[in-house]
Amino acid sequence: GAGVSQSPSNKVTEKGKDVELRCDPISGHTALYWYRQSLGQGLEFLIYFQGNSAPDKSGLPSDRFSAERTGGSVSTLTIQRTQQEDSAVYLCASSLAGGVPNEQFFGPGTRLTVL
Amino acid sequence: GIQVEQSPPDLILQEGANSTLRCNFSDSVNNLQWFHQNPWGQLINLFYIPSGTKQNGRLSATTVATERYSLLYISSSQTTDSGVYFCAVTRDTGRRALTFGSGTRLQVQP
Repeated sequence: GAGVSQSPSNKVTEKGKDVELRCDPISGHTALYWYRQSLGQGLEFLIYFQGNSAPDKSGLPSDRFSAERTGGSVSTLTIQRTQQEDSAVYLCASSLAGGVPNEQFFGPGTRLTVL
Repeated sequence: GIQVEQSPPDLILQEGANSTLRCNFSDSVNNLQWFHQNPWGQLINLFYIPSGTKQNGRLSATTVATERYSLLYISSSQTTDSGVYFCAVTRDTGRRALTFGSGTRLQVQP
């Protein structure tokens, strides 16, 4: 079946602009995660959605970052007033359920470059 | 939070050689995954192995949860095995997000 998909694959923006990144999880997966991978910080957790529960936002680095998940499926990560330090690869993952440990599967990522 | 340490950080092998990659973690875990990140950045699932031993072709993995470590074995390495190998865990308690190690960069030379 289809894996996790993300769009766009690459995004170049100017400092101060807002960007939206999209993630489409594997069909039937109720848990969805956003991570980012940057040279200085490695792979780090950003936010986690499980069903209709309130999201775990504990990994978001600042209030410029937000995410939503509509209808329990597609998720959008929004970064407002982008800064150069936001440049990274943003990865989305999904799993069957988040309430119990389950294998997470990752999308191909969106490479964000802030000029 | 939980700490995840991987060793060695870099490894260069000749094609056909065997290798062992190690992952140590600082707390009890209920999820442990090994990934291979290919040159295009895609994270490929290798093993979901919170405990025990699994094998898939030339790769195998063992997690000894009571001693807080996991090992990934690569036998008869091929140039296509090159890339970065990540170990990632979730704690027994707390959030479900994965905490990643810093990875082992493997280069297999022909």
